Amino acid sequence: AQTVTQSQPEMSVQEAETVTLSCTYDTSENNYYLFWYKQPPSRQMILVIRQEAYKQQNATENRFSVNFQKAAKSFSLKISDSQLGDTAMYFCAFNDPSNTGKLIFGQGTTLQVKP
Amino acid sequence: DAGVIQSPRHEVTEMGQEVTLRCKPISGHDYLFWYRQTMMRGLELLIYFNNNVPIDDSGMPEDRFSAKMPNASFSTLKIQPSEPRDSAVYFCASSWGTTTDTQYFGPGTRLTVL
Repeated sequence: AQTVTQSQPEMSVQEAETVTLSCTYDTSENNYYLFWYKQPPSRQMILVIRQEAYKQQNATENRFSVNFQKAAKSFSLKISDSQLGDTAMYFCAFNDPSNTGKLIFGQGTTLQVKP
Repeated sequence: DAGVIQSPRHEVTEMGQEVTLRCKPISGHDYLFWYRQTMMRGLELLIYFNNNVPIDDSGMPEDRFSAKMPNASFSTLKIQPSEPRDSAVYFCASSWGTTTDTQYFGPGTRLTVL
């Protein structure tokens, strides 16, 4: 069964610093999609970034970037120049096109950005 | 675009009562998903629809749960009768095209069953 593991339940970072959130997954598929979602205290699930497994280039979205290591099945999220508004729970998610395409989520990492 | 709309945002009910959660997907999206979030189980998919047709309901916990999508702009998730263990946040999400497209989530409904 496909699984997604986030090994860091909680993390903190000083404002303006850089932080990396870890995610590993398990699959026997070759083509799939990976996502990072952010859930602030408002509860809304917000897409942060998306990566297609067939693309070697790491995805970036402004201050957010990923380090996608396909062989190692690792998909970490780097947040640069952390801002107070980045405080949230972050979920890594895996979408396997061959398995109805449903999203499988990790347990989440709570990130606190300190002033 | 208004995004995915869910109602109500909060629902408090007593055990045994019927609960209906509502969702309006983003216009033009062909896929609609219902998720449940709890502390114990995290985020889990309950059911999803493609072009109003239920495709995979293997995540629906039991017969007390049912979901419908009568048209492209409306879906309901019903729990009858409700139980305290159903207390959770229920999310609706929609996506365009294939199941691999990005899913956009609604604000969720926090359900409390007393």
